[in-house]
Amino acid sequence: DGGITQSPKYLFRKEGQNVTLSCEQNLNHDAMYWYRQDPGQGLRLIYYSQIVNDFQKGDIAEGYSVSREKKESFPLTVTSAQKNPTAFYLCASSTPNNSPLHFGNGTRLTVT
Amino acid sequence: QKEVEQDPGPLSVPEGAIVSLNCTYSNSAFQYFMWYRQYSRKGPELLMYTYSSGNKEDGRFTAQVDKSSKYISLFIRDSQPSDSATYLCAIMNTGNQFYFGTGTSLTVIP
Repeated sequence: DGGITQSPKYLFRKEGQNVTLSCEQNLNHDAMYWYRQDPGQGLRLIYYSQIVNDFQKGDIAEGYSVSREKKESFPLTVTSAQKNPTAFYLCASSTPNNSPLHFGNGTRLTVT
Repeated sequence: QKEVEQDPGPLSVPEGAIVSLNCTYSNSAFQYFMWYRQYSRKGPELLMYTYSSGNKEDGRFTAQVDKSSKYISLFIRDSQPSDSATYLCAIMNTGNQFYFGTGTSLTVIP
């Protein structure tokens, strides 16, 4: 089955630690995205990548970093510089030319 | 002004009711419209995708777009308890930029 796999489903970290969230897709999509979802705020774009080895900042990129070394993979690192990292993180992908986003099932990150 | 506005609800209806979910948007240049369903602790699932004014039907779901009013709707007929979820509207411009509503929480009571 084609899809987007995010792991782990739940992640717990202490404040001050960096953490990396995994996102893998086997849909052969060129574009990949990371969103953050907080109650009452909808989806906010963190980073996106239209092609391997290239990515752009979204609306709330501060405190986050990404890499796109392979078409299938787009990991997100939440650094200690992110002030409020506890959230639900969603990875998505799409083909070019006005196609809708397809989402993974998210990673719930809790930082204490 | 936000690009997309969506009433957060919550909305509670009895089983079998017709549900109407709505969003408004600000930019008349937007051309592509989507509805997603999101169950608790899951990712959004694409329900409907349309790029023109008018209605698009898929089973119990109908998406309606009124570009002159900048208004989009999702209708659910014969609602079921399994339809209980949060529904997100989304809009895409021609540059593959996506804008999401904040979601409407729906509960269908058996």
